[in-house]
Amino acid sequence: AQTVTQSQPEMSVQEAETVTLSCTYDTSESDYYLFWYKQPPSRQMILVIRQEAYKQQNATENRFSVNFQKAAKSFSLKISDSQLGDAAMYFCAYRPRDIFGTGTRLKVLA
Amino acid sequence: KAGVTQTPRYLIKTRGQQVTLSCSPISGHRSVSWYQQTPGQGLQFLFEYFSETQRNKGNFPGRFSGRQFSNSRSEMNVSTLELGDSALYLCASSLGWMTNTEAFFGQGTRLTVV
Repeated sequence: AQTVTQSQPEMSVQEAETVTLSCTYDTSESDYYLFWYKQPPSRQMILVIRQEAYKQQNATENRFSVNFQKAAKSFSLKISDSQLGDAAMYFCAYRPRDIFGTGTRLKVLA
Repeated sequence: KAGVTQTPRYLIKTRGQQVTLSCSPISGHRSVSWYQQTPGQGLQFLFEYFSETQRNKGNFPGRFSGRQFSNSRSEMNVSTLELGDSALYLCASSLGWMTNTEAFFGQGTRLTVV
């Protein structure tokens, strides 16, 4: 069975600094997709970034980038130049199967 | 373009009762997934519907059921409510089933069982 693990329940970062959120997963499937979602305090979940497993190049979306290590089954999210609006719960997700991690609460300190 | 709409937003029920939650997906989306979110447990996948058929099911008891209508709207039903069913229930819609397409989430229904 597939699993997704986020080992950091909470992280803090100073405004304008960089932070990395960790995610590991386990699967025997060769074709899958990985996502990072953000859930701000208002609760509506939104997509941050996605990665297709067959792509070796790490995905990047503005200040957000991933470090995808397929052999190690690791999918970490790096947030550069952190802003107060980045404060939220971040969930790592695996598709297909729609498996989510338990989330990491990110606090951004002014 | 209207987002995913979940109704009601808040619900208080008594143990033993049943409840029905509704989810209207984004227009054109045919896949609807349901999740239970509790503190410390993250998001637990309940089930996914595509074209009125349940395509995937999580590890929840049979008290949790769902259905999808021809217009892609979906309902989730929980019978014989237990205190442990108190949670935020999230619905997400996407274009396809088991694809890399992004899931769009609703704001959720906060269910409290007393």
